[in-house]
Amino acid sequence: GENVEQHPSTLSVQEGDSAVIKCTYSDSASNYFPWYKQELGKGPQLIIDIRSNVGEKKDQRIAVTLNKTAKHFSLHITETQPEDSAVYFCAASSLSGGYNKLIFGAGTRLAVHP
Amino acid sequence: EAGVAQSPRYKIIEKRQSVAFWCNPISGHATLYWYQQILGQGPKLLIQFQNNGVVDDSQLPKDRFSAERLKGVDSTLKIQPAKLEDSAVYLCASSFISNEQFFGPGTRLTVL
Repeated sequence: GENVEQHPSTLSVQEGDSAVIKCTYSDSASNYFPWYKQELGKGPQLIIDIRSNVGEKKDQRIAVTLNKTAKHFSLHITETQPEDSAVYFCAASSLSGGYNKLIFGAGTRLAVHP
Repeated sequence: EAGVAQSPRYKIIEKRQSVAFWCNPISGHATLYWYQQILGQGPKLLIQFQNNGVVDDSQLPKDRFSAERLKGVDSTLKIQPAKLEDSAVYLCASSFISNEQFFGPGTRLTVL
């Protein structure tokens, strides 16, 4: 079935450094790729997304790149801050019964040290 | 704009007992989702509603889980009887037209 793999599972960086999280997906028909941030005790919050007709998207310190040929996409966070510490999930859409559903990766726990 | 509301936030039950979770989506959102998030994993879709109709329940363990969305607004998810492996966070999400899903805070279930 559809599968999304996410790496690394944990990532530790110093404040001000960049962080990169990578995901690969299996369904070549996937056309929507969101990234969610989940803080302790809260639900996932959408931070950025990209659609298959775009190769790169940027929003302030956050950027996402998509390589449809290789079926992988990445999240880049620059100038990391302690408040960026959280678990990040990538997801890929998959068509099921005529409706899109999201398949999530296992998550990356990011720790930003002051 | 109010977000997705869920209750209760926490629930502890004994195995073989039953439990129910409630979700109120963002106003106007036709699509509602229930996810199960086991500790250390990403959310896994259990069931998806479009208005009050089910469009995907392929991952719902139908021998013990049930869900309904009466009148196409609020939804309840029930587990009866619960097993130890049902311990997880149950997340509700809603979306309008696009794929963008908005999540609630979740209900943390512990089955002893």
